[in-house]
Amino acid sequence: NAGVTQTPKFQVLKTGQSMTLQCAQDMNHNSMYWYRQDPGMGLRLIYYSASEGTTDKGEVPNGYNVSRLNKREFSLRLESAAPSQTSVYFCATVRHYNSPLHFGNGTRLTVT
Amino acid sequence: DQQVKQNSPSLSVQEGRISILNCDYTNSMFDYFLWYKKYPAEGPTFLISISSIKDKNEDGRFTVFLNKSAKHLSLHIVPSQPGDSAVYFCAAPPNSGNTPLVFGKGTRLSVIA
Repeated sequence: NAGVTQTPKFQVLKTGQSMTLQCAQDMNHNSMYWYRQDPGMGLRLIYYSASEGTTDKGEVPNGYNVSRLNKREFSLRLESAAPSQTSVYFCATVRHYNSPLHFGNGTRLTVT
Repeated sequence: DQQVKQNSPSLSVQEGRISILNCDYTNSMFDYFLWYKKYPAEGPTFLISISSIKDKNEDGRFTVFLNKSAKHLSLHIVPSQPGDSAVYFCAAPPNSGNTPLVFGKGTRLSVIA
C-alpha cells in the first residue's frame, strides 16, 4: 500500500525547460492537491482537483498547469521553468472534508 | 492576508520539558484545525486535530488546546523527545466542502538531548 507516490524525487532544470511532476494515489480518494514548500513560506497551494474531471487554481497557480488524468493521477506541468519555481513540491489527497490530508514525499526541483 | 499564522519560526526545548507551539487564525468561520509534522526529505504527516466544539484534544504526549475567543490554538508536547524535532504546521479548512487546507508557515522545533 504505497499511499501517495510522487515522481521524480529530484530534478534539475535549466530556465525555459519544461517538465511534468507525477502524482499517483492508491487510497481511492476523490480530492487531490499540489502544494509547494519554500523556506519561511510554509505550504502554499498551487492547484487542486476536488474530483475527477475538475481542477481549480490555488494561491500560487501562475506558471503551472495541471491534469487530473483519472481518479488516481494528478500531474503538475511547468511549461517554461523559472528560477522562482525552485521549490519542493508536494502532492496530497484527502478522503473528505475534515479528514486529514495524506502527502507524498515530495519532488525537489531546482531551476538554474 | 494569511488566515493561519505561526509567528515563531523556531523553538528549542530541552529533552523532557514541555514544547508549546502556537497558532493564531483570523477567520472566525474555521471550525476544524489540524497539526502536521514534517521531517526533512519527507512529506508532512497528520499529527492531531481539534473540532471547534471542543477546547482540548489529547493523544498521548500531544495535546491541542483551542481558545475560540482569542482565535488561538496551541500544541503541547510533554515530555519532549529528540525524535520530536521537526517542522510543525498548523492548518485549517477555510470552508465546508472540498476546499483545501490553508497552512501556517511552520515552526521548527529542536529538542536538545
